[in-house]
Amino acid sequence: NAGVTQTPKFRVLKTGQSMTLLCAQDMNHEYMYWYRQDPGMGLRLIHYSVGEGTTAKGEVPDGYNVSRLKKQNFLLGLESAAPSQTSVYFCASSYSPSGVNEQFFGPGTRLTVL
Amino acid sequence: GEDVEQSLFLSVREGDSSVINCTYTDSSSTYLYWYKQEPGAGLQLLTYIFSNMDMKQDQRLTVLLNKKDKHLSLRIADTQTGDSAIYFCAESRSSGTYKYIFGTGTRLKVLA
Repeated sequence: NAGVTQTPKFRVLKTGQSMTLLCAQDMNHEYMYWYRQDPGMGLRLIHYSVGEGTTAKGEVPDGYNVSRLKKQNFLLGLESAAPSQTSVYFCASSYSPSGVNEQFFGPGTRLTVL
Repeated sequence: GEDVEQSLFLSVREGDSSVINCTYTDSSSTYLYWYKQEPGAGLQLLTYIFSNMDMKQDQRLTVLLNKKDKHLSLRIADTQTGDSAIYFCAESRSSGTYKYIFGTGTRLKVLA
């Protein structure tokens, strides 16, 4: 099993450009999450999904959109990138939030917006 | 507020014990977790503790929970260079919620 994979690993964008980050998991997990990691701020939840076809906002959703057309994939879109979106983005998945909600993380995407 | 706070850095010598501390504010937390992030990688669950426990031991790892003070700690015995990483504490509320609050992370550096 590959677990949680993310593409691309690195990307540099100019302000105003758009891009999509892809997350895929092969563990048949219902829940999927997108976080951003910034120095000294831990991980902050951008959007999450509780199953195929569903999405919901997390703590910092502004400037991002998501889609979950297939259970195994969760896409994060930036329509018009801004320098404030320079960050490391992590996708995670979990079977369910009940009980011990272990989240499995991808390796991250480092995004720089110039 | 729902902050989970940690000190940013800790440096220890190889073979010594490391203690990483965390304070949280949500008294309804059900599970508290410790995740490890190695350089260039995602987070991996190290251990967790249920909120009605005071202590949990797992090989070199000891988790202590003081619910009254909302204080969580992770002790790593006989710290090795391979333990150098960022350690995040996190909390989640009772079952059925996605919500998972991460701390700011503590960077542990182990000196040979």
